[in-house]
Amino acid sequence: AIQMTQSPSSLSASVGDRVTITCRASQVIRNDLAWYQQKTGKAPKLLIYAVSTLQSGVPSRFSGSGSGTDFTLTISSLQPEDFGTYYCQQEYDYPWTFGQGTKVEVK
Amino acid sequence: QVQLVQSGAEVKKPGSSVQVSCKASGNTFRNYVINWVRQAPGQGLEWMGEIVPGVGTRNYAPKFQGRVTITADESTNTAYMGLSSLRSDDTAVYYCARGGSIRGLLITRRGFDPWGQGTLVTVSS
Repeated sequence: AIQMTQSPSSLSASVGDRVTITCRASQVIRNDLAWYQQKTGKAPKLLIYAVSTLQSGVPSRFSGSGSGTDFTLTISSLQPEDFGTYYCQQEYDYPWTFGQGTKVEVK
Repeated sequence: QVQLVQSGAEVKKPGSSVQVSCKASGNTFRNYVINWVRQAPGQGLEWMGEIVPGVGTRNYAPKFQGRVTITADESTNTAYMGLSSLRSDDTAVYYCARGGSIRGLLITRRGFDPWGQGTLVTVSS
């Protein structure tokens, strides 16, 4: 199975900060990479698919980039409502796999 | 706006089985893959398997192969996930989520959206 490794595991940042989360795949996954946000007790929410395509309704401060095995989720200006845990996921090869998550706390 | 509504919480004994349902609103049920993902308490997301409604094709994660069965009933727009031989470490919230769109033999994958609200399955003696 393809392993997805996120870093950092957690971070704390201030409102207005630029936040970057990285995701590394254990093999090349083309552009079959998605990002999700999950808040406590809620289902995950799709933010980005195909590496950099913003899901409808997602604020433009979220962006994704990368290729091959290394990918990045960036929040350009962190807002109070952006707290939660972020997961990357590959849909390149079965079984689909998720990163272990990055918990974002807002200072 | 498609919504996925799951069945309610379950409490099961070790060794028993559970079935969770996921009903989709709208008329596009057969046009999308339905996935099942679980999340143990305080843990991350784990993909269990998927079904392509209409075609009936299923793909399961090796970890669950032999214990999980995913089915779909197009007449009621409902997908089901059954898990057998339950253990305490199967205690988790189980989610269904709509995946790739289907056109003929082609599936276009664009992440999982939307998700059901989740179903807590507790396995305890």
